[in-house]
Amino acid sequence: DAGVIQSPRHEVTEMGQEVTLRCKPISGHDYLFWYRQTMMRGLELLIYFNNNVPIDDSGMPEDRFSAKMPNASFSTLKIQPSEPRDSAVYFCASSLLAEAFFGQGTRLTVV
Amino acid sequence: GQQLNQSPQSMFIQEGEDVSMNCTSSSIFNTWLWYKQDPGEGPVLLIALYKAGELTSNGRLTAQFGITRKDSFLNISASIPSDVGIYFCAGHADAGGTSYGKLTFGQGTILTVHP
Repeated sequence: DAGVIQSPRHEVTEMGQEVTLRCKPISGHDYLFWYRQTMMRGLELLIYFNNNVPIDDSGMPEDRFSAKMPNASFSTLKIQPSEPRDSAVYFCASSLLAEAFFGQGTRLTVV
Repeated sequence: GQQLNQSPQSMFIQEGEDVSMNCTSSSIFNTWLWYKQDPGEGPVLLIALYKAGELTSNGRLTAQFGITRKDSFLNISASIPSDVGIYFCAGHADAGGTSYGKLTFGQGTILTVHP
């Protein structure tokens, strides 16, 4: 298996623009997680899905953030409109049991 | 909510030295995991622990699941330069409820190894 695949690896966008991050989980995993990592706050769980259904979105910072999982092999995290404080590394991870496997992340810079 | 306290926050050691880091929790976990993150990459799973008191090794790494189920430690023996990175502990509570399925992460330990 190729592991968790995220795209793009890097994204630079202007404030106010819409940003969409993409994730393909490991086949057969029924949990999918979106994390954000910054120096100040470390790894933060934004939202997670079980069998494509959002279970807990309490970590989503505000209404500008939304996430979808239309099928078992694809998820998106959207920020609209983006702000400079959204600059961070965003990770997607998937799991079957307790062990979560992470993608390589998307480094987002909002200028 | 659940919190993990990971210590130390950072370590600067000489190549060949042993390293020890630990995590403590205010609540019980059923599984403890240790991850390593290299610069520019995502965290990679190193060791998983499933039973209280369990001691598990993976090469130069040894980790233990505390008997109270509220703590875990990771040891690295004979450190080498490629051990540099950020080490995270994570706890998983597989009882029912809204926390089921998700991991709670420690703040990370930044390890620097001087040749």
